[in-house]
Amino acid sequence: QVQLQESGPGLVKPSETLSLTCTVSGDSINSQYWNWIRQPPGKGLEWIGYINYRGGSSYNPSLKSRVTISVDMSKNQFSLSLNSVTTADTAVYYCARQLAVSSMNSFDLWGQGTTVTVSP
Amino acid sequence: QSALTQPPSASGSPGQSVTISCTGTSSDVGNYKYVSWYQQFPGIAPKLIIYEVNKRPSGVPERFSGSKSGNTASLTVSGLQVEDEADYFCNSYAGSNNLVFGGGTRLTVL
Repeated sequence: QVQLQESGPGLVKPSETLSLTCTVSGDSINSQYWNWIRQPPGKGLEWIGYINYRGGSSYNPSLKSRVTISVDMSKNQFSLSLNSVTTADTAVYYCARQLAVSSMNSFDLWGQGTTVTVSP
Repeated sequence: QSALTQPPSASGSPGQSVTISCTGTSSDVGNYKYVSWYQQFPGIAPKLIIYEVNKRPSGVPERFSGSKSGNTASLTVSGLQVEDEADYFCNSYAGSNNLVFGGGTRLTVL
């Protein structure tokens, strides 16, 4: 059974860097495309970006200047780094697997989500 | 780019059909076959229920169906059940390795 699990600090100070890791179990990260998606409290979903098994990445244009997604194949993990955070970055952060290479907007497997609060 | 437009709420009685719209532009919904729909219960991660406009992943009931006309995609839930009460989100590929989500629709089963 394939599972995704997010981990990382639940509280980050303004102007600092938010760092999260997604551990993939039951599947090799050396395939598919792996994404980060967030959901502010009471609001809709926002795609952050993806990294693929070849190390290629793509980011939401509105976040591109602050985001880096990386992969560690030896640990079967991929990570999110979001710098210069503000309170607007407070959200539940999900990692998700893309259904297929061709279906960039379809996510068939999600982590349970981790809440990150940006506060002094 | 702007989020796709969904009605904030929709409702129906058990056994009825309800349709939720998702309106974009010719740069996203209108230009690609890549529209997906997700079902989300409070405090739970979203679940993919429709992809590529009208395809259902394994295990999703046939009463969930999707369609598209021009810049608007639609999700229809037929034979509404109490357990269908949830939030529903659409998204679309928007070109240049980018995608956009809708704001979500809260479906209430009366």
